[in-house]
Amino acid sequence: DVKVTQSSRYLVKRTGEKVFLECVQDMDHENMFWYRQDPGLGLRLIYFSYDVKMKEKGDIPEGYSVSREKKERFSLILESASTNQTSMYLCASSLGSGGNTGELFFGEGSRLTVL
Amino acid sequence: GIQVEQSPPDLILQEGANSTLRCNFSDSVNNLQWFHQNPWGQLINLFYIPSGTKQNGRLSATTVATERYSLLYISSSQTTDSGVYFCAASVTDSWGKLQFGAGTQVVVTP
Repeated sequence: DVKVTQSSRYLVKRTGEKVFLECVQDMDHENMFWYRQDPGLGLRLIYFSYDVKMKEKGDIPEGYSVSREKKERFSLILESASTNQTSMYLCASSLGSGGNTGELFFGEGSRLTVL
Repeated sequence: GIQVEQSPPDLILQEGANSTLRCNFSDSVNNLQWFHQNPWGQLINLFYIPSGTKQNGRLSATTVATERYSLLYISSSQTTDSGVYFCAASVTDSWGKLQFGAGTQVVVTP
């Protein structure tokens, strides 16, 4: 079975802090994704990566950056956390290529609260 | 981009009942998936089904790509089936961008 592991299930941070959310997958998937989920707004794509050191902006990249130094690891970085980044963050990976995103497998989610 | 609409938005079932959830999409898709979000927030894969029919235990799904809809069937529902069901779809020219529907909230009562 595919295993996608997110480093923290719950985090509480202060406004202005730098926040790292880590995600690791164990199935040698090429693609990795970060989504956020908010009530009434659904799931929205922040960034995705289709290879090591490659990244693409999703629908809401503002205020976020990402890092993919190794194939299995994809990090989401909030350079200066703000209260409107309080949300559930979901990481996913997939094996798709050739114009198809492929079947996504999600981690357990990280619920971030920014005070 | 592609529009994905799910219906109904909410569904209350008695344990043992059957139900059908629907997902309509606005364009030809090369990717269609169904997920179940459990009470702890994790999205669990149910089906990867851009076309055709699949079954897994009490759950089955059918996608009619030419008519731009997919159906998820839950038979003999159990309380553990409660949660939010999402469908998500993408088209070839939007690689990496899977569009999620708003979900169907399902509550199964004992």
